[in-house]
Amino acid sequence: GAVVSQHPSWVICKSGTSVKIECRSLDFQATTMFWYRQFPKQSLMLMATSNEGSKATYEQGVEKDKFLINHASLTLSTLTVTSAHPEDSSFYICSAPGSGGAFKSSYEQYFGPGTRLTVT
Amino acid sequence: SQKIEQNSEALNIQEGKTATLTCNYTNYSPAYLQWYRQDPGRGPVFLLLIRENEKEKRKERLKVTFDTTLKQSLFHITASQPADSATYLCALDMGAAGNKLTFGGGTRVLVKP
Repeated sequence: GAVVSQHPSWVICKSGTSVKIECRSLDFQATTMFWYRQFPKQSLMLMATSNEGSKATYEQGVEKDKFLINHASLTLSTLTVTSAHPEDSSFYICSAPGSGGAFKSSYEQYFGPGTRLTVT
Repeated sequence: SQKIEQNSEALNIQEGKTATLTCNYTNYSPAYLQWYRQDPGRGPVFLLLIRENEKEKRKERLKVTFDTTLKQSLFHITASQPADSATYLCALDMGAAGNKLTFGGGTRVLVKP
């Protein structure tokens, strides 16, 4: 159980175009999902928290007009990179919290396999 | 400033030995600490979670300790195997609503047969 998928797994786009990345929870519902970005040999940097039925919450320094997040259902969140530039090339990963185990207070994260974006 | 430090140098270890990884943090007060494994080009996989009032947690060949006085967590892989070769990430959960995690830079482990 607790499988998260992402689509596409990799994408190459031209500078100035927009790219949409989908994140789905396959066998559970997720009212919250998280979007991360990871540059080579660096750790995951949280970009935003996606909330089902409401606006996303962006981390400091992340442009909300550039990285559009839509969480239209309990199993799907999308990240659209608008007017992509080469510096947006990165590995984008989403996650959804698990059940919280016995404590129901800290939740392990189930991550998608990631999407490699290359902007030329 | 707030920092989470993991040894950025790769840890090379002989099969069968115990690998010990450190996660040190400053200016954070996490309620929980989590450890993940990440293989190249893949998303992280959850391994273990430990609460601030727990000293130690075990899962099969894995052991985690959490010392809030030292602001440090140790992650041990006993009887290491080549299949354990990966990058291991620690993540802090402050316990606030939203369950956001803050990740360390990760330590790459290479287990040689």
